[in-house]
Amino acid sequence: ETGVTQSPTHLIKTRGQQVTLRCSSQSGHNTVSWYQQALGQGPQFIFQYYREEENGRGNFPPRFSGLQFPNYSSELNVNALELDDSALYLCASSFGTGPEKLFFGSGTQLSVL
Amino acid sequence: AQKITQTQPGMFVQEKEAVTLDCTYDTSDPSYGLFWYKQPSSGEMIFLIYQGSYDQQNATEGRYSLNFQKARKSANLVISASQLGDSAMYFCAMREGWGSSASKIIFGSGTRLSIRP
Repeated sequence: ETGVTQSPTHLIKTRGQQVTLRCSSQSGHNTVSWYQQALGQGPQFIFQYYREEENGRGNFPPRFSGLQFPNYSSELNVNALELDDSALYLCASSFGTGPEKLFFGSGTQLSVL
Repeated sequence: AQKITQTQPGMFVQEKEAVTLDCTYDTSDPSYGLFWYKQPSSGEMIFLIYQGSYDQQNATEGRYSLNFQKARKSANLVISASQLGDSAMYFCAMREGWGSSASKIIFGSGTRLSIRP
């Protein structure tokens, strides 16, 4: 077990709604990254937060936004949900932003109907 | 542009045999890190092994070793003496650069490994 916890584990929303996913990073880690994993695919990078600032973003629209708090926990917010947003959302934490290994949580499975 | 290619969508291997999972990558950055992750049905991504682009020796972690061939841009994962618990999806991944702007890891499409008793 990595110590990275995500909540909720499962979520069902309807198209157009908004959702907030939460992540508690491993103790001592100051960097959190979020990934979207569609069924049968590898995870896709959404964005990363380092010391409460976004310092990298993948090819996702602005309706995907995030926050990192002083205790380094993080939230992923998605507005105006679309059917294609249905996926497993993974949070990963690390110390620093170099090529260190990431520790992943078990993810939140989001279904958009 | 960064790219990771895993050409084996699925593999079946007999228990206790060794298995090699293929991975090729493409990058123009001389500084990068290569990773392998295991994803069981529970969904969690489990770190297996890491190889830095400047590392002279192939990385090893217990039964896992990474066959790093820089000139060929390949980073194959070798699992020795496979076990039933090794059945899972395996992802090859890469991270470019160093420093505060170094961020995303890109993943390949994965290989589903199934171990037969």
